[in-house]
Amino acid sequence: DQQVKQNSPSLSVQEGRISILNCDYTNSMFDYFLWYKKYPAEGPTFLISISSIKDKNEDGRFTVFLNKSAKHLSLHIVPSQPGDSAVYFCAASERVTGAQKLVFGQGTRLTINP
Amino acid sequence: DVKVTQSSRYLVKRTGEKVFLECVQDMDHENMFWYRQDPGLGLRLIYFSYDVKMKEKGDIPEGYSVSREKKERFSLILESASTNQTSMYLCASSLWVTTTEQFFGPGTRLTVL
Repeated sequence: DQQVKQNSPSLSVQEGRISILNCDYTNSMFDYFLWYKKYPAEGPTFLISISSIKDKNEDGRFTVFLNKSAKHLSLHIVPSQPGDSAVYFCAASERVTGAQKLVFGQGTRLTINP
Repeated sequence: DVKVTQSSRYLVKRTGEKVFLECVQDMDHENMFWYRQDPGLGLRLIYFSYDVKMKEKGDIPEGYSVSREKKERFSLILESASTNQTSMYLCASSLWVTTTEQFFGPGTRLTVL
């Protein structure tokens, strides 16, 4: 049973426009949410996170919004640049014995067109 | 910068072979993780470790085991490789038990024939 879902396998956006990636979750016990970016042949790299007690976090061109009542979060990238073309994974964190365990979504492939 | 390295980028093994995937991190992180990444399924946690010789099962531990004899090194073992274990394997580490951010290695693409 997928606790974190990214329902769009791919997204294509024109350079300079806004990219919006979406993620839904089911477990109310998740305490942090993260976005990772992955280029081919590389491991995922951390992009931005948000605590479950907040509804927005901004870092430069990247903003993450959290709607707890809808169990939904989104990543906004503005303006989109060609280097943003990658696979984006949403992840949710829950405390387990010994660690903060991350549960990942399926990923969304973002393509920025010039 | 945190560096997580994995012993091989590509590996081809035969069904039934014992396979070792090695991961090393250089930042004295307490926690280490093994994931597999498959198309349409995202990253799924196989095992993690929060201290030397300590290990916990993740979401899909069947067919795998792990070993952590030193803090910086975490090994994933496929006791008898099967074709359904063909996948991208990713190792990650995090600083502390309460740290959410994980740092990933480049991955090992394992093919089991």
